Amino acid sequence: EVQLVESGGGLVQPGESLRLSCAVSGIPDRNWMHWVRQAPGKGLVWVSRISSDGGITNYADSVKGRFTISRDNAKDTLFLQMNSLRVDDTAVYYCAGDNWGPAYWGQGTLVSVSS
Amino acid sequence: QTVVTQEPSLTVSPGGTVTLTCASSTGAVTSDYYPSWLQQKPGQAPRALIYTTNNKHSWTPARFSGSLLGDKAALTLSGVQPEDEADYYCLLFYGGPWVFGGGTKLTVL
Repeated sequence: EVQLVESGGGLVQPGESLRLSCAVSGIPDRNWMHWVRQAPGKGLVWVSRISSDGGITNYADSVKGRFTISRDNAKDTLFLQMNSLRVDDTAVYYCAGDNWGPAYWGQGTLVSVSS
Repeated sequence: QTVVTQEPSLTVSPGGTVTLTCASSTGAVTSDYYPSWLQQKPGQAPRALIYTTNNKHSWTPARFSGSLLGDKAALTLSGVQPEDEADYYCLLFYGGPWVFGGGTKLTVL
């Protein structure tokens, strides 16, 4: 059974940092991984992806230079380091395993940025 | 900035057929964009339905199909069921980043 479990969300003030984790199990092949977010009442927004060995990363323009994606394959865990958080980063953050695009999804973790 | 455009909302009768489309601001959508389609119901995580234009995941019901229609990607639902009422998102690959469309709210009425 495929399971992706996000953690690390919470309430922070603008300018602060947060690190999200995603524990992965059951995905047939170690593959690219994604982070996707969804602001309250809004649509899905792709955030970032990382290759199977961690050597290649891509980011949406809105987070480039502030967010860093990484993975620990020994622990089957995906991370998203979020720095300089802004109010408009408030969203549910989902991790997703790739199968020609985000295919296997977690239930998400809520990040709230507010003063 | 790349924009992916979907119909904001569509309504279909139970048992009917409906087609949702997905356009790119960069031009015609081709298989090189690896079009994907996802379904999201209120309070739930998204669920992937279609990948690389027309391939179904093992869990995708047979009534869902993907295609290219003119210069757009398309998702067709045939024999719509009440439980198909949901938001549907397309997703396109731009050689590194992926970009979601704004979503289509499908009402079954």
